[in-house]
Amino acid sequence: GENVEQHPSTLSVQEGDSAVIKCTYSDSASNYFPWYKQELGKGPQLIIDIRSNVGEKKDQRIAVTLNKTAKHFSLHITETQPEDSAVYFCAATLNSGNTPLVFGKGTRLSVIA
Amino acid sequence: ETGVTQTPRHLVMGMTNKKSLKCEQHLGHNAMYWYKQSAKKPLELMFVYNFKEQTENNSVPSRFSPECPNSSHLFLHLHTLQPEDSALYLCASSQPGQGGEQYFGPGTRLTVT
Repeated sequence: GENVEQHPSTLSVQEGDSAVIKCTYSDSASNYFPWYKQELGKGPQLIIDIRSNVGEKKDQRIAVTLNKTAKHFSLHITETQPEDSAVYFCAATLNSGNTPLVFGKGTRLSVIA
Repeated sequence: ETGVTQTPRHLVMGMTNKKSLKCEQHLGHNAMYWYKQSAKKPLELMFVYNFKEQTENNSVPSRFSPECPNSSHLFLHLHTLQPEDSALYLCASSQPGQGGEQYFGPGTRLTVT
């Protein structure tokens, strides 16, 4: 089955700097890779996702890149702000309809003002 | 908000109690999920329901009993739990075969004493 590794487990950056979180997956058949942000006391919220037919996707200050050959994908947050502080999870799945997501262990991002 | 609600938000129960967690989604989805989130562990998938039918049971102990009376509601019945079952229990929903995006509720923080 699928296995997702996520690094780093914790990340501290100065406000305004960029943050990068990386994930690797094991199943080359996986084709859907979402990222979730979980703030304290809340459930994970989908912030961006990418499918295997594209290599990069951007949404304002957030971008995700995918390298299918190397089986890794990354989340990039530019111009970080204190409200970006949260736990971020990557996930992977074969989007055949009902295949559940496999999550990484999460990265706790702290943005220092 | 995500359109997925969970009640109660917090629950404290003894090991001999019986309680139920409730999840409701207002997104018109047909797949619903229960996850367990413990400290320093990845999100653990527990159960999956598609069109009210259970399609996955991830080796969950029988002291957890799910129920899905319709595509909008999902319950998790709890009985004779152990202290190690204390965790955040998250419900999620998605539309099978379309995109794969899962949307999470805020979770129920369960403490077993």
